[in-house]
Amino acid sequence: EVQVVESGGGLVQPGGSLRLSCAASGFTFSSYAMSWVRQVPGNGPEWVSSISGSGDSTYHADSVQGRFTISRDNSKNTLSLQMNSLRVEDTALYFCAKGGGSRNYYLHYWGQGTLVTVSS
Amino acid sequence: EIVLTQSPGTLSLSPGERATLSCRASQSVSNNYLAWYQQKPGQAPRLLIYGASSRATGIPDRFSGSGSGTDFTLTISRLEPEDFAVYYCQQFGSSPWTFGQGTKVEIK
Repeated sequence: EVQVVESGGGLVQPGGSLRLSCAASGFTFSSYAMSWVRQVPGNGPEWVSSISGSGDSTYHADSVQGRFTISRDNSKNTLSLQMNSLRVEDTALYFCAKGGGSRNYYLHYWGQGTLVTVSS
Repeated sequence: EIVLTQSPGTLSLSPGERATLSCRASQSVSNNYLAWYQQKPGQAPRLLIYGASSRATGIPDRFSGSGSGTDFTLTISRLEPEDFAVYYCQQFGSSPWTFGQGTKVEIK
């Protein structure tokens, strides 16, 4: 059974940093692109970042470019999102999602999310 | 950036009726890389359709996707009680990948 489980969310002050992790199981991790998507309650989803199966290609939304970095460790079946210079508007539920193939970026399976709150 | 506009914002229908949801892109979606998701309160979105018309694993055949270029449609042939939810389209053909604002299908 495919599973992706996010962790690392919490309360952080503006300007601070946080690292999210996603533990994957039930599939050949290195064969699939992975993504982070966030959602403010009551709003639609917003794509944040994606990475190819091998990790050689990464993509970031303009709103997080230069502040967030997506990475993966295929030996540990783990996806990460390093978030620096956090802003109040980064507050959201962050989902990890498995793609449809190594470079296929639709969001096939989603985790339940981890909540990030940026507030002083 | 490709902007996706979904219509209508809300669709009020009865169980057993047909639902037709539209997603229009501001420019052509590369390779018809368009997906549809269903989201219920308190849950993560669930993939229904990818590549404009391919059903995801385990999705009932009352859900179908069609369209190409800039105009896409999700059709639910006969609404079941569990289908009342919010539906989003997403394009993954050109970075940044983008979502539509959603269509809520509610019970009339």
